[in-house]
Parts: sequence; structure tokens; C-alpha cells
Amino acid sequence: NAGVTQTPKFQVLKTGQSMTLQCAQDMNHEYMSWYRQDPGMGLRLIHYSVGAGITDQGEVPNGYNVSRSTTEDFPLRLLSAAPSQTSVYFCASSYSTGNLETQYFGPGTRLLVL
Amino acid sequence: KNEVEQSPQNLTAQEGEFITINCSYSVGISALHWLQQHPGGGIVSLFMLSSGKKKHGRLIATINIQEKHSSLHITASHPRDSAVYICAVSRSGDKLTFGTGTRLAVRP
Repeated sequence: NAGVTQTPKFQVLKTGQSMTLQCAQDMNHEYMSWYRQDPGMGLRLIHYSVGAGITDQGEVPNGYNVSRSTTEDFPLRLLSAAPSQTSVYFCASSYSTGNLETQYFGPGTRLLVL
Repeated sequence: KNEVEQSPQNLTAQEGEFITINCSYSVGISALHWLQQHPGGGIVSLFMLSSGKKKHGRLIATINIQEKHSSLHITASHPRDSAVYICAVSRSGDKLTFGTGTRLAVRP
């Protein structure tokens, strides 16, 4: 199993550009989530999904969109990138409800918005 | 005040030392997670516990629900244990709240 994969590993964007961060898992996990990690702060939840077709907002959802058309994939879209979105983004998955299961994290995507 | 506080923020130890990292939280929880973030950035789940104690190799995690406190212990520390250790708590629902991490450096 590949586990949780994320692409790209690193991306530079200009302010106003849009892009999609890809996340996929091959463990048949129902629960998937996106976090951002900023210096001096804990991981913060952006969006999460408890199954295909179901998504919900986390702590910092503004400026981001998600969809979950399949169990395997959970892409994160930046609609119009801003310098405040410079961060490291992690995708995570777990078998069922996220708070009571072991979390599996992807390797992260480092995003720089100029 | 953050819901999850970790101490210390930074820790340097000599190889072989016994290490303790602390996590305090201010809300009722259903479970607490300990995670390890490697220098390269990858995050690995170490433990999830809701009571008592768990052990895996040289790592031991304990939790005291009444005191809202958890500790992560590393016995016979090794340079490969150098990483950031992150505590996260889960309340009702599907969300985790993370501490800011403890950066551990173990010197040979």
C-alpha cells in the first residue's frame, strides 16, 4: 500500500492564481482531512470528509474548497491564492471517525504564495 | 489560552537519557493522540489513548483524565528520536485540536 500520497511536494504561486492540491489514499479510509501547519502554531483543520459525497468545514476554511467524489481522493482547491496561504499542507486519513482512530498523514505539500 | 499546551517547547538530551514531554488540555476529551514529526516533515501517529498507559518499544504514553494531563516518555533516548512530538486531543465530533509541538534533539 502507498498509504496517503500528496502532490505536488512543493509549489510556488503568484497572488490570485488558483491550484489544486491532490490527496489520495489506498486504505479504504472513510475519514479524510486537510490541515495547514504554520510556524509557532499547531496543525489547523481546513476541511474534512466523513465519506464520499460528504464534506464539512474545519477551523480555517476560508479561501479553500474541497470535494469528495470517491473514497480514495480528497483534493483541496485554492480559489485565489493569497500570501497568507503560504504554509505546509497535510492530508490525513483514518478508517472511520477521525478523532477515535489512528491518523495516517501524507508527506505534505509546501506552498509559497508570492 | 490554547486548548492544548505542551511543555517544554524545546528539549535537548544526551543519548541514553530518559525523556518526558508533557501535554495539558483544558477541555473534556474523548481521546488524546501523540504524533511524531520527522525532520523531513513527515508525521507519524505514535499513540491514541483515552485512559491509562500504552507502551510501544521505548515509548510510553500515559494519561490522567481527571488532571487533564498526558505525558510521553522515551527511555534510553537515541539520536534517531530527534523530532517534533505533537499532542492532539479529540472532543465530540470529528475534529482534532493540536498542540504546537515539542522539538527534541538527542545528542550522541
